[in-house]
Amino acid sequence: GAVVSQHPSWVICKSGTSVKIECRSLDFQATTMFWYRQFPKQSLMLMATSNEGSKATYEQGVEKDKFLINHASLTLSTLTVTSAHPEDSSFYICSALTLAGEGEQYFGPGTRLTVT
Amino acid sequence: AQSVAQPEDQVNVAEGNPLTVKCTYSVSGNPYLFWYVQYPNRGLQFLLKYITGDNLVKGSYGFEAEFNKSQTSFHLKKPSALVSDSALYFCAVRDRSGGSYIPTFGRGTSLIVHP
Repeated sequence: GAVVSQHPSWVICKSGTSVKIECRSLDFQATTMFWYRQFPKQSLMLMATSNEGSKATYEQGVEKDKFLINHASLTLSTLTVTSAHPEDSSFYICSALTLAGEGEQYFGPGTRLTVT
Repeated sequence: AQSVAQPEDQVNVAEGNPLTVKCTYSVSGNPYLFWYVQYPNRGLQFLLKYITGDNLVKGSYGFEAEFNKSQTSFHLKKPSALVSDSALYFCAVRDRSGGSYIPTFGRGTSLIVHP
């Protein structure tokens, strides 16, 4: 089946630094990738939709200058959390669409970000 | 507009008993429906989907779901629960009739299977 990887799986950083999270589709091309944020025991919050070669579409309330998304190729999307603060600590999950027609998503394993 | 509701935050069931995790949806047209499972500190894994055809859909790990158009429901079921089924389950819907191709997820239901 379709496999999506994320790197790193967990990261601890100091407040004020930036962190980059990579999301890769390993055995398929993903024209569209999604970035979600999940708080403990809560549902997924869609942050942005990323299409290869174009600017990401951010959901309302998500700061585009803080959460930089780049989708430079059909197999790689990156999320950079700039000037991280403790409130940015969360579980970040990416997913990719294999076929836009059916909308079946394949999810990465997630990245646990802790900002100290 | 599309939406999905998972009315139960938590479902408790004894091992060996049948389980049901509820999901209802709302779309303008016809739906694509999905179930995903999430184990602690992991991403979501695809379980099954309904696109068209047979209302009873069989998926991974012995799970199945029944599409009921009149009740706009897509409940997840398993005849005999295992302790290892304990996880967070998400239902998702997308309107097949155009518009956004982005699925909408429910809030999730925590399934706890007791030995």
